[in-house]
Amino acid sequence: DTEVTQTPKHLVMGMTNKKSLKCEQHMGHRAMYWYKQKAKKPPELMFVYSYEKLSINESVPSRFSPECPNSSLLNLHLHALQPEDSALYLCASSQPLSDQPQHFGDGTRLSIL
Amino acid sequence: GQQVMQIPQYQHVQEGEDFTTYCNSSTTLSNIQWYKQRPGGHPVFLIQLVKSGEVKKQKRLTFQFGEAKKNSSLHITATQTTDVGTYFCAGHTGTASKLTFGTGTRLQVTL
Repeated sequence: DTEVTQTPKHLVMGMTNKKSLKCEQHMGHRAMYWYKQKAKKPPELMFVYSYEKLSINESVPSRFSPECPNSSLLNLHLHALQPEDSALYLCASSQPLSDQPQHFGDGTRLSIL
Repeated sequence: GQQVMQIPQYQHVQEGEDFTTYCNSSTTLSNIQWYKQRPGGHPVFLIQLVKSGEVKKQKRLTFQFGEAKKNSSLHITATQTTDVGTYFCAGHTGTASKLTFGTGTRLQVTL
């Protein structure tokens, strides 16, 4: 069981497509995160939203565009991706304090053709 | 930038044997968290350590945080096949929201 829901579970897209990944949580958490995870590697932080405001952007290319419409939802808009962007994209949420555990969704497995 | 390394990268044990993974940070951590990721799954929070020298136990799992708050370890006693997965340590430093994951240790357990 996961309390963070990500859709879609799998996505195949061409380099010219535009798509969006979605993440939803109903735990009342006010921090939400996007991570990228390549096979046999740790999750790498991409973006952090705290109280619906972007607080961290880890120098992610502009072809990835995050959005936080409200405290429960987090989107990642994708445009003109490259083959090396193929990875598992994980969403997580927590209370916005450093001593709080992060709760991860199942992820979206993205393949760029 | 901050680096968090884990050793070993991979360990294969027979069921019933013990297992330990070590985590080392290049910078002092405010706390350290441990996560487990099953094959094909997502990271699941196991525990958090905050105090220098802290030791916590969860059934067969023992977690330690070093005195200098730069290293940590996870020890599993008498492994079971359900312990299979990748174990990540993850630490916070100055920026409250930024969690840096260690390189991970993949554990394989066979009968």
